[in-house]
Amino acid sequence: AQKITQTQPGMFVQEKEAVTLDCTYDTSDPSYGLFWYKQPSSGEMIFLIYQGSYDQQNATEGRYSLNFQKARKSANLVISASQLGDSAMYFCAMREGDQTGANNLFFGTGTRLTVIP
Amino acid sequence: SAVISQKPSRDICQRGTSLTIQCQVDSQVTMMFWYRQQPGQSLTLIATANQGSEATYESGFVIDKFPISRPNLTFSTLTVSNMSPEDSSIYLCSVDLWSPNSGANVLTFGAGSRLTVL
Repeated sequence: AQKITQTQPGMFVQEKEAVTLDCTYDTSDPSYGLFWYKQPSSGEMIFLIYQGSYDQQNATEGRYSLNFQKARKSANLVISASQLGDSAMYFCAMREGDQTGANNLFFGTGTRLTVIP
Repeated sequence: SAVISQKPSRDICQRGTSLTIQCQVDSQVTMMFWYRQQPGQSLTLIATANQGSEATYESGFVIDKFPISRPNLTFSTLTVSNMSPEDSSIYLCSVDLWSPNSGANVLTFGAGSRLTVL
């Protein structure tokens, strides 16, 4: 089974509107972390936001918030007041267990967001 | 947060040649990670580079094809050997760093090296 599932290959949003990018995950480990990254056309991977499995509140970072629904195993990214510069690929990722290293970090297939002026 | 410098940022290479990608971090780190991102795909971990020991490769990646050096705690190189068009990808180096703001270790990436093999 896929560890991370992003079901939206592409999304469009009007400038200044909010958009939700979906992410579901699959793990039996009670300790895990969820990450969202942005990848502009330049190719760099930019970390946006983190949510720990034991965090009681949804993470927020500026215009980004993470809608964490633990029972549903979903960690959707909400971008408010979209800007043209938000047009990029967005990757959801999960780290299982120990909170270091990379071989326990799983990436989704990404969602391409296009912001329309 | 750490600054990760990666070069080249892009290159066009001929089939059968090799190219070395460099990754410099502005702080000392125990592990550095190399990823490949093929066109339209997600990221795949190639290997973990530890200073003073051989790199640990993930399934499907071998040292002969992707030799890695880690001469010190701030620098690593990845070589893509005997390239074919299938090696056309973005190669990214990354380090795992504590983020006080997030309260967790976060994988931080270099800007990536976009290779096109003709």
